[in-house]
Amino acid sequence: GENVEQHPSTLSVQEGDSAVIKCTYSDSASNYFPWYKQELGKGPQLIIDIRSNVGEKKDQRIAVTLNKTAKHFSLHITETQPEDSAVYFCAATNAGGTSYGKLTFGQGTILTVHP
Amino acid sequence: GAGVSQTPSNKVTEKGKYVELRCDPISGHTALYWYRQSLGQGPEFLIYFQGTGAADDSGLPNDRFFAVRPEGSVSTLKIQRTERGDSAMYLCASSPTLTGELFFGEGSRLTVL
Repeated sequence: GENVEQHPSTLSVQEGDSAVIKCTYSDSASNYFPWYKQELGKGPQLIIDIRSNVGEKKDQRIAVTLNKTAKHFSLHITETQPEDSAVYFCAATNAGGTSYGKLTFGQGTILTVHP
Repeated sequence: GAGVSQTPSNKVTEKGKYVELRCDPISGHTALYWYRQSLGQGPEFLIYFQGTGAADDSGLPNDRFFAVRPEGSVSTLKIQRTERGDSAMYLCASSPTLTGELFFGEGSRLTVL
């Protein structure tokens, strides 16, 4: 089955700096890669996703890049703000015509943005 | 309601007891998923439903775990003969289609003493 590794496990930045979180996956057939933000006491919330036919996607301060050859993808947050502090999870799946919701998650990154 | 609703939010039980966790998805969402999240880990897939049927239950850890969705809306995750290792946050998510975004509830935290 799929295996997703995520680094770093913790990341501390100053407000206004950029933050980068990296993930690798094992199944070359995986074709959908979402990123989730989880705040304390809440369920994960989708912040951005990318499909395997795209190399990069951007939404305001958030961007995701995908390198299919190397089987890794990254989340980039620019101009970080204290409200970006949360746990971030990458995930991957081979939808294969069935479901994009059967995801394999990484272990998570605790991001702390200091004012 | 506006989002996915899960009850109870917290459940403490004793080893060997039976537990039911309920998920009320967003109205109109046909796909429903259950995940389990241990402390400090990412969620792990358990089972998903498309309508009333379990389309994939390959993530259920053993036959003590069972889930139903009899009318294609509310789902119940059932755990028999609970063990201390079952302690975790159980997350439910729903999606309008099989290729749509997942919307997670706030979870049910299960503690088995």
